[in-house]
Amino acid sequence: DAGVIQSPRHEVTEMGQEVTLRCKPISGHDYLFWYRQTMMRGLELLIYFNNNVPIDDSGMPEDRFSAKMPNASFSTLKIQPSEPRDSAVYFCASSSAGFPRGEQYFGPGTRLTVT
Amino acid sequence: GNSVTQMEGPVTLSEEAFLTINCTYTATGYPSLFWYVQYPGEGLQLLLKATKADDKGSNKGFEATYRKETTSFHLEKGSVQVSDSAVYFCAQGGSEKLVFGKGTKLTVNP
Repeated sequence: DAGVIQSPRHEVTEMGQEVTLRCKPISGHDYLFWYRQTMMRGLELLIYFNNNVPIDDSGMPEDRFSAKMPNASFSTLKIQPSEPRDSAVYFCASSSAGFPRGEQYFGPGTRLTVT
Repeated sequence: GNSVTQMEGPVTLSEEAFLTINCTYTATGYPSLFWYVQYPGEGLQLLLKATKADDKGSNKGFEATYRKETTSFHLEKGSVQVSDSAVYFCAQGGSEKLVFGKGTKLTVNP
């Protein structure tokens, strides 16, 4: 089975540019989560979806961040405009309501650098 | 609200030493408990889990027991290897999402 797939693995962009991160969850999983990891703040949950519907976006830092899930096999996290403080590793994870509660499978992450 | 507290790192051990990483939680109800491991440059991987009190999760020589009376889920390994060097996260899940601890970085020297 393929795991969670994220692209790109690395992204370097200049301040003010739009950045789009992509995620393909494990087939059959109905929950999708976006996290951000930095040295200073650790692992933060940004937003999660259930059956393609956003359930909790309280972790999204500001209006520059948006996330969509147009279908069960694809999600995007967009930052527009990007700022240097957005530099972090962004993880996507998925899970199924059928698993032990909360068990999630993580992708390899996208390392974003904003200069 | 629900939270997870795990011991601050970093932890540095010699190969074959005994490892304990403490984890306690606060929660309403009875969450599932997890340990995740993150190797350098990779995403988090589930290491072990326990879904109810007194359950013991185990994997790759690591163990943790769900202790309801002390609200703890300490991670242990009897003999660590260099390849165990990683960051370890304790987490709880009561409904849809996980609550993670801040992570403990382990370095094992030969």
